[in-house]
Amino acid sequence: DGGITQSPKYLFRKEGQNVTLSCEQNLNHDAMYWYRQDPGQGLRLIYYSQIVNDFQKGDIAEGYSVSREKKESFPLTVTSAQKNPTAFYLCASARGPLQGAPTNTEAFFGQGTRLTVV
Amino acid sequence: EDKVVQSPLSLVVHEGDTVTLNCSYEVTNFRSLLWYKQEKKAPTFLFMLTSSGIEKKSGRLSSILDKKELFSILNITATQTGDSAVYLCAVWGSNYKLTFGKGTLLTVNP
Repeated sequence: DGGITQSPKYLFRKEGQNVTLSCEQNLNHDAMYWYRQDPGQGLRLIYYSQIVNDFQKGDIAEGYSVSREKKESFPLTVTSAQKNPTAFYLCASARGPLQGAPTNTEAFFGQGTRLTVV
Repeated sequence: EDKVVQSPLSLVVHEGDTVTLNCSYEVTNFRSLLWYKQEKKAPTFLFMLTSSGIEKKSGRLSSILDKKELFSILNITATQTGDSAVYLCAVWGSNYKLTFGKGTLLTVNP
């Protein structure tokens, strides 16, 4: 079945440690996205990538880093520089610019990773 | 910076009521607007709107876009407890950036 897999579902880390969240998709989508969700805040864009080996900062990129070495994978690292890392993180994918304009595309989401930093 | 504003932020209704959720936007190079329903974890897709004035309908849910006034509404008629969720509005802007609003938390009481 095609879809997006995020792992792990729950993650606990000590303050000051870097942690990497996994996102894999087998939908053959060029574009991938990372969002952070806090209570009452909706989804805020951290980073996005339109194609392999390229990515752009979103609205709240500070304290996060990403890589896009493969089409299927877009891991997110939450660094120790992120002041409030405890949140629910959602990964999404969609057809990219070489696969049709976004006027005819929806974004598909993974089940999310809940990160708790203690 | 692209901006999407949803209202109200929360709403409590009784089963059978009709609700209207609002979404306004300010986006560079608007392409389309999406509505999602989020119950527990992953948002699920409801509608995509690209043209003004054309209503999209699915069962008791319907949505319409006004590109001149830069807003969209999502209507739910004869609400049921299963409609309780966060409803998210998102807009495709330039550089294939997808921006979401804060969502509307809908609670339907029996």
